[in-house]
Amino acid sequence: DTAVSQTPKYLVTQMGNDKSIKCEQNLGHDTMYWYKQDSKKFLKIMFSYNNKELIINETVPNRFSPKSPDKAHLNLHINSLELGDSAVYFCASSQRGANTGELFFGEGSRLTVL
Amino acid sequence: AQSVSQHNHHVILSEAASLELGCNYSYGGTVNLFWYVQYPGQHLQLLLKYFSGDPLVKGIKGFEAEFIKSKFSFNLRKPSVQWSDTAEYFCAVSGGYNKLIFGAGTRLAVHP
Repeated sequence: DTAVSQTPKYLVTQMGNDKSIKCEQNLGHDTMYWYKQDSKKFLKIMFSYNNKELIINETVPNRFSPKSPDKAHLNLHINSLELGDSAVYFCASSQRGANTGELFFGEGSRLTVL
Repeated sequence: AQSVSQHNHHVILSEAASLELGCNYSYGGTVNLFWYVQYPGQHLQLLLKYFSGDPLVKGIKGFEAEFIKSKFSFNLRKPSVQWSDTAEYFCAVSGGYNKLIFGAGTRLAVHP
């Protein structure tokens, strides 16, 4: 069983389109995250949710809207895609806060915007 | 603001060579420190972590790291690398509740 699963794994789309990436964790964790990994492998946190409530929003453009229907799911919707959005997006979860607990990552969703 | 810097972006070693990857952080308060590894085509996974206590921390697969508070460093070491250690290694520091800040990563290539 995959602990943190993301779909789709690969996504190729045109500029201006809207797309979503879904994430589910079956670990019973309270906290979920979205990280963006750019072409230089730099990982940057985008959002963090704790029990369905947004607790971190790292100055991400409004075109990015996370949604957490329940604590096991955290989806990422992106409007009006731009070339600079091309990256690998990682979902992660942790039982406690990131600074005290281990993060469990999904396998990533590679988004390519043409 | 908290930050993490990894000095080596790309390291190439032969099997059985010793490894040391540098990591320095900037943060004025108490820190928790982590090393994560990303094998080719796989997700990130935790190698080891430091919260408090013995500054020499042992992780999985023979890796260890030493926390030197005076140098704000948390370097990763392994006495003898294997081809299977080829991966990207990320140092990370906690930056307050629910926030883990990653370094830019070090790509390690081990040649047989």
